[in-house]
Amino acid sequence: AQTVTQSQPEMSVQEAETVTLSCTYDTSESNYYLFWYKQPPSRQMILVIRQEAYKQQNATENRFSVNFQKAAKSFSLKISDSQLGDTAMYFCAFMEKGAQKLVFGQGTRLTINP
Amino acid sequence: KAGVTQTPRYLIKTRGQQVTLSCSPISGHRSVSWYQQTPGQGLQFLFEYFSETQRNKGNFPGRFSGRQFSNSRSEMNVSTLELGDSALYLCASSARTSPGELFFGEGSRLTVL
Repeated sequence: AQTVTQSQPEMSVQEAETVTLSCTYDTSESNYYLFWYKQPPSRQMILVIRQEAYKQQNATENRFSVNFQKAAKSFSLKISDSQLGDTAMYFCAFMEKGAQKLVFGQGTRLTINP
Repeated sequence: KAGVTQTPRYLIKTRGQQVTLSCSPISGHRSVSWYQQTPGQGLQFLFEYFSETQRNKGNFPGRFSGRQFSNSRSEMNVSTLELGDSALYLCASSARTSPGELFFGEGSRLTVL
């Protein structure tokens, strides 16, 4: 069974700083996807970024980028120029190709301070 | 385009009762998944329906069941409620053309007393 581990329960940074959230996973599969989802307080969870395991190039979406280390089974999220609206729970998630079932980590509560 | 709609948003039940939660996916999405979110266990996959068929199932007891209708709307049912069933139940829809890209509803918060 796949597992996803987020070792930072809480993080706090100042607005405009850069912050990196860590995630490791365990799987014996070779074809899979990794995701970062964001759950703002009392709002819907939304997809931040997706990485396909067979692609070596790290995914980027505006201020969000990932560092995907397949051999180390590591998938960290970097948020540049952080904004107050980035305050949220961030979940790392794994999906085996074709399964349409997400396995989530425990989440990291990120607070951006003014 | 309307988002994923879940009803009811909040409900309180007592142990032993049953509950039915409803989810209307984004128009055109045929895949609906359900997740349970609790402070202790985090987010856990319950099941996924696609074209009225259950395609994937998580590790939950048989008290948890679901179904999907021809218009892609889905319901989940929990029978013989236990205190531990208190949770936020999230529904997510997907077009399945973009793997893992789920669109979540706001959830149904169930409290079991």
